[in-house]
Formats: sequence, C-alpha cells, structure tokens
Amino acid sequence: NAGVTQTPKFRVLKTGQSMTLLCAQDMNHEYMYWYRQDPGMGLRLIHYSVGEGTTAKGEVPDGYNVSRLKKQNFLLGLESAAPSQTSVYFCASSPGSGRGDNEQFFGPGTRLTVL
Amino acid sequence: AQKVTQAQTEISVVEKEDVTLDCVYETRDTTYYLFWYKQPPSGELVFLIRRNSFDEQNEISGRYSWNFQKSTSSFNFTITASQVVDSAVYFCALNNYGQNFVFGPGTRLSVLP
Repeated sequence: NAGVTQTPKFRVLKTGQSMTLLCAQDMNHEYMYWYRQDPGMGLRLIHYSVGEGTTAKGEVPDGYNVSRLKKQNFLLGLESAAPSQTSVYFCASSPGSGRGDNEQFFGPGTRLTVL
Repeated sequence: AQKVTQAQTEISVVEKEDVTLDCVYETRDTTYYLFWYKQPPSGELVFLIRRNSFDEQNEISGRYSWNFQKSTSSFNFTITASQVVDSAVYFCALNNYGQNFVFGPGTRLSVLP
C-alpha cells in the first residue's frame, strides 16, 4: 500500500499561471481533503469530498477548485495563481464513518511557490 | 463555531526532561473527537491519538500520555523523558459529528541533546 500520494512534490509558478495538484489514495477511503499549511496557522481546510462525484468548500476555498471523478483521486486546481497561495499543500483521506471518529491519513505534501 | 487553541508556539527542553503541550478547544457539540498529530522535520503528519468526548480516561502509551478534561475543555499531551527524536511540530485537532477537522496552530517542540 502506498497510502496517500501527492504529485508533484515541489512546484514554482508565476503569478497568473494555473496548475493542478493530484492526490491519490489506495485505501478505498470515502473522504478526501485538501489543506494548506502556513507558518503559525496550522492546517486550514480548502475543500473536501465525502464521496466520488461530491465536493464541498472548507474554510479557505477562494481561488481553488476541486474534482473527485474517481474515488481514489482528488484534484486541486489553481486557476490563476497568486503569491498568497504560496504554501505547503496536504491531501488527506479517511474511511469516513460520518461520526468524525476516523483519523486522517496524510500525503507527504506539495510545496508550492508563486512568484 | 469550533476552535482549537495551542497557546505555546514553541517549546525548548533538554533531553530527558518532561514536557506538556497544551490544547484547549471550543465546541457547542456534545459529541466530538479530539486528535493529536505529530509533524517531524521530514514534513509528514503522523496520527498519535484519538479521544471521544464521552471518554475522559487518561491514556498512556510508552512515554506519551494524554490528559482529557471536559470541565476545562483541554486535551493536553505530555512527553516523559523527552528524546531528540521527539522534536517536531505537534497539532491538536477537533472533529465533531461530521467531516471537518479543525486544527490548532501547532506547537514546535525542540528537544536539545
């Protein structure tokens, strides 16, 4: 089992460019999440999905879009990158009992710099 | 609204000292779950423990122990006889009866040899 993988690991963009981050999990988890981690702010939820074909906004969704066309994949898109989106992005998945008791399994992170 | 506060931004201790990381949470729900995660310098996030709101028993796992007190809305984490390998950022998180985790800002622990 690879667990949760993220592609790419590092990326540098220029302001206004677009890109897609890919998250894949092989644990057959229902729920998937995208977070960003900034110094002193912990992890903030961008978007999440409770199943294939469904997505929902988290705490900081502006400037991002997501898609969950396949259960194992969760894509995060930046349509027009801004320097404020410079961050480390983490994907996570969980079995999703609906009770909130499942821990999340995290990917290794993607370090994105927007110049 | 849910909130998790970790008032200690950074802590430095010398190896073999005991250290407690504080976590205070806010929620209006009666059913919720609390978590601790560790983020070592390599960057990955590692699950440490889960506790539900109906179980106030303290837990010990080796050198790690957790003290959950609903009366003070706290879920503190103690490392006994700290080691250099314990150096990491530690996050406390809260999840209610739903899908969303709320993470605290983290406490950076440095254990000096």
